[in-house]
Amino acid sequence: GDSVTQMEGPVTLSEEAFLTINCTYTATGYPSLFWYVQYPGEGLQLLLKATKADDKGSNKGFEATYRKETTSFHLEKGSVQVSDSAVYFCALSEFTGGGNKLTFGTGTQLKVEL
Amino acid sequence: SAVISQKPSRDICQRGTSLTIQCQVDSQVTMMFWYRQQPGQSLTLIATANQGSEATYESGFVIDKFPISRPNLTFSTLTVSNMSPEDSSIYLCSVLRDRDYGYTFGSGTRLTVV
Repeated sequence: GDSVTQMEGPVTLSEEAFLTINCTYTATGYPSLFWYVQYPGEGLQLLLKATKADDKGSNKGFEATYRKETTSFHLEKGSVQVSDSAVYFCALSEFTGGGNKLTFGTGTQLKVEL
Repeated sequence: SAVISQKPSRDICQRGTSLTIQCQVDSQVTMMFWYRQQPGQSLTLIATANQGSEATYESGFVIDKFPISRPNLTFSTLTVSNMSPEDSSIYLCSVLRDRDYGYTFGSGTRLTVV
């Protein structure tokens, strides 16, 4: 079945540091890939997505490129801020007729310090 | 994207009782889902709420414990029955309007069973 593997956290960075959160996936078909963010005490928000190979999703300075050859969708940001402290979830969906559901990774907690 | 209203936002319940969580969407959607997020964990799909028919449950979740209603294309409820402390989690409603918009999540219901 489908699965998503994320790097374990917590990840602690200083403000303005470069961020990479690794995400790899296993899927039978051609999934869409997502990054969701969960700020403390809040629900899940879609951060960015990519629907086909070589697509780059971007939002709020975050980027991720759909790499079919390496089955990866790593999240990057050039300069993190304290306000980026949150839990980040990588997810996929195959949008098949039999089951349009999201499969999530375990989540990576990011802490950004001054 | 769709706007979801989920109620209640939090509750503290006695073991052995039941709680019904409501999910209202501001537009008609075909696919509605219920997820559980246990403390410090990722999200796990409980079931897909099907309009006009019985929900489709994932492995490990049963209708007697998590009955779901979906009377129309904008509303669904999830009931957590005969609760125990192990049911303490965040429960989230999610909808999929179409592949371009992706999945939207409600703000979640934080349930504590004592």
